[in-house]
Amino acid sequence: SQQGEEDPQALSIQEGENATMNCSYKTSINNLQWYRQNSGRGLVHLILIRSNEREKHSGRLRVTLDTSKKSSSLLITASRAADTASYFCAPAGGANSKLTFGKGITLSVRP
Amino acid sequence: GAGVSQSPRYKVAKRGQDVALRCDPISGHVSLFWYQQALGQGPEFLTYFQNEAQLDKSGLPSDRFFAERPEGSVSTLKIQRTQQEDSAVYLCASSQGRFPGLAAISSYNEQFFGPGTRLTVL
Repeated sequence: SQQGEEDPQALSIQEGENATMNCSYKTSINNLQWYRQNSGRGLVHLILIRSNEREKHSGRLRVTLDTSKKSSSLLITASRAADTASYFCAPAGGANSKLTFGKGITLSVRP
Repeated sequence: GAGVSQSPRYKVAKRGQDVALRCDPISGHVSLFWYQQALGQGPEFLTYFQNEAQLDKSGLPSDRFFAERPEGSVSTLKIQRTQQEDSAVYLCASSQGRFPGLAAISSYNEQFFGPGTRLTVL
């Protein structure tokens, strides 16, 4: 299936540390998107990486994509307590198609 | 506000009742998606509209679920004869998705989510 599977399921780090989250999928994709969800703001789009891209940056976020391994990673540098949330990867089979989310990664950043 | 809005934010229904959930997408967004999110799970796709056309309804769990977007903007998700297993957060998302030539622009594909409607069926 196209569904993203995130790893680890839960991650707890100290403020200031880096957080690395991984995602694997099984079929070919057009793009892969990462989202964050917390109770205060709902589901928020973080970054989109297309299948012909290998790495993308946005502020403290760095996303990589390896289509040969069908995997992606999200790195959050210099984490903050406000980064505490659930993170989802969502592969998309087409340019404007439905997203298939995994169960997500629960990130806790301790002050 | 320029974001996606949904109403009501919370809905409690007795088993067997019909409910209607509303989504107001971002103005001008062609594509509209509905997702269902159970507690502790990621969102699961229900259905997709491009303008008023429902192009994909493969995720609707049963014929009790019905969605429409008659004028290509506001959408309504209706659940008939609600069951306890329908209890979940229902999320609506919209994206620009207008011209294939713009697919190279990342923001074209980005889906903007509303705050969701939390449905509890007693």
